[in-house]
Amino acid sequence: RKEVEQDPGPFNVPEGATVAFNCTYSNSASQSFFWYRQDCRKEPKLLMSVYSSGNEDGRFTAQLNRASQYISLLIRDSKLSDSATYLCVVNKNMRFGAGTRLTVKP
Amino acid sequence: GAVVSQHPSRVICKSGTSVKIECRSLDFQATTMFWYRQFPKKSLMLMATSNEGSKATYEQGVEKDKFLINHASLTLSTLTVTSAHPEDSSFYICSANGRGFYEQYFGPGTRLTVT
Repeated sequence: RKEVEQDPGPFNVPEGATVAFNCTYSNSASQSFFWYRQDCRKEPKLLMSVYSSGNEDGRFTAQLNRASQYISLLIRDSKLSDSATYLCVVNKNMRFGAGTRLTVKP
Repeated sequence: GAVVSQHPSRVICKSGTSVKIECRSLDFQATTMFWYRQFPKKSLMLMATSNEGSKATYEQGVEKDKFLINHASLTLSTLTVTSAHPEDSSFYICSANGRGFYEQYFGPGTRLTVT
């Protein structure tokens, strides 16, 4: 089993849709979790940290499920500018998931 | 957020030559720096982790003699690709984190083309 796994997608959604991604991890001792966004041919940029109690930043909500060992990212009211690859990273060993590609269409 | 710079942003070199890439944390002290490689449409692959003043820890399958990493100070790490070959052509990205925070901040990357 890979240390960090994501559904590669692609997810093609219309503007205004709600979309959710999951990311599973294998190391139960992992402590820190993050979502990054990577645009084509650019470096990843931190989107948000994932806290145990869940956290929200505008249209983005991140949650952690330790029992099932996954984190999730929910994007509400999708914008065209949300089109990117979304990467999860589990801080225990700095492993990135392969990324989930999202395309928001008009 | 914290700022990480990388230099050069793009380099073209001939097969057999060596290329050095610099990664600097501009507004914080980087306790740990990471080097990744990313091939087109592929995921980020961690190559090595380096802590200031100590030897880098390389991931399985990454040749330490080919990819030399030096983390000489709390703000600078370098990656030298020695005897480069066309298959080393890739996007090399560094990242860093510092005391008190676990999230990584990435440099803008270096696109290496070996001809």
